[in-house]
Amino acid sequence: NAGVTQTPKFQVLKTGQSMTLQCAQDMNHEYMSWYRQDPGMGLRLIHYSVGAGITDQGEVPNGYNVSRSTTEDFPLRLLSAAPSQTSVYFCASSYGLTGWETQYFGPGTRLLVL
Amino acid sequence: GENVEQHPSTLSVQEGDSAVIKCTYSDSASNYFPWYKQELGKRPQLIIDIRSNVGEKKDQRIAVTLNKTAKHFSLHITETQPEDSAVYFCAVAGGTSYGKLTFGQGTILTVHP
Repeated sequence: NAGVTQTPKFQVLKTGQSMTLQCAQDMNHEYMSWYRQDPGMGLRLIHYSVGAGITDQGEVPNGYNVSRSTTEDFPLRLLSAAPSQTSVYFCASSYGLTGWETQYFGPGTRLLVL
Repeated sequence: GENVEQHPSTLSVQEGDSAVIKCTYSDSASNYFPWYKQELGKRPQLIIDIRSNVGEKKDQRIAVTLNKTAKHFSLHITETQPEDSAVYFCAVAGGTSYGKLTFGQGTILTVHP
């Protein structure tokens, strides 16, 4: 099992550009999430999904879109990048009765917006 | 929504000492409380968790205690070692925030040899 994979590992964007951060998992987990990590702010939930075709907003959803067409993939789209979106982005998947048992994190994508 | 406060933000101890990190939460209906460890440049990984029907859970040198009345839970690390140096995050799930995991701000633990 590869677990949770993310691409790219590092990306530099100019303000206004768009891009998609890829996330995939091969553990057949129903639940997937996107977090951003900023110094002193912990991990903040952007969007999450409880199954294919179902997504919902987290704590900081503005400027980001998601879709979940398959169980395996959960891409995060930045519509028009802003310097405030400079951060490290983690994708995670989980299973279990509540869906919020062990979160398996991907390796992260470091994004710099100039 | 759920509000999670984590203290202290930094903690420095000598090797062999104990370390305690505390988190408080706002939603009394929350029922799942995990702790994650993140080493420098790595992804967060679960180290221990506790559910609302349990007051304490131990796993070798680490333990978590939960006080539902006071709405706080703590991570205890005994006999600390330099490899325990990392950022530790608490998190809360369940209750009115069903489907969402809310993290604390993190604690940078440094263990000096």
